[in-house]
Amino acid sequence: QKEVEQNSGPLSVPEGAIASLNCTYSDRGSQSFFWYRQYSGKSPELIMSIYSNGDKEDGRFTAQLNKASQYVSLLIRDSQPSDSATYLCAVNIPTTDSWGKLQFGAGTQVVVTP
Amino acid sequence: DVKVTQSSRYLVKRTGEKVFLECVQDMDHENMFWYRQDPGLGLRLIYFSYDVKMKEKGDIPEGYSVSREKKERFSLILESASTNQTSMYLCASSRRTSRYISYEQYFGPGTRLTVT
Repeated sequence: QKEVEQNSGPLSVPEGAIASLNCTYSDRGSQSFFWYRQYSGKSPELIMSIYSNGDKEDGRFTAQLNKASQYVSLLIRDSQPSDSATYLCAVNIPTTDSWGKLQFGAGTQVVVTP
Repeated sequence: DVKVTQSSRYLVKRTGEKVFLECVQDMDHENMFWYRQDPGLGLRLIYFSYDVKMKEKGDIPEGYSVSREKKERFSLILESASTNQTSMYLCASSRRTSRYISYEQYFGPGTRLTVT
C-alpha cells in the first residue's frame, strides 16, 4: 500500500510566524504533488501544485520538493488566524491505469494563535 | 474560474432508500472522482471515471454505483442507504493525465449525507 504521511498536529503557530508542514511519500515514481487547505466542514481547496525539485512560491505559500528524499513541504509565511485549517498533502499514483488518482495524506491541523 | 457543483449541501435519508448525488463540472475535465470523508479516516476514493460511460472502482466501492452519461456530470448512487453511509461526500474533477503526471483535482462543496 503506497502511503502519504503527515504529522496530524495540531501545529500551533503564533500569528506572524512561519508554519512549516511536512509530507513524505513512499512511491519513488510519483511526479505530481499538491497541497490543499480544508476548513472545518468545507471541501479541500487547492493551494499549490509542484512537479519539479526545488521551491515554488505563491504569495505567502512556498512548496518545497525533494524527490530523492521523497519529501514535500509547505511553508506559510506571516501566518494569519485565517490560515487555521487542516492541510492535506496529495501525491499522484504513477501507474498506467491510475487515471489521475491521487493519494491523500490524513492532513495536518494548523492553529494560528493571535 | 473553475467550478464543481454538487446537487445538495445537506441531505437526510432513511435506511433502505435509494440516494442520488449529482456532480457537475464546467471545466471540460475528462476525469471525475467521488470520495467520502469521515473523521479519522481521511479521504477515501469510492469510484472514478476517466471518460463518458467509463468507470473504475476506487478503494471502497461496496454499496455504491456511479453513472457518467455526459462529460460534465458524474452521479453517485447509493442503492440502499445504510447508516454506515452517513458521511461527507466530495466530488472532484481533473484534466486528462499521462502515466507519470497527474493534474490538480478540484473539489465541489460537498454533500453531508445523514442516513437515519
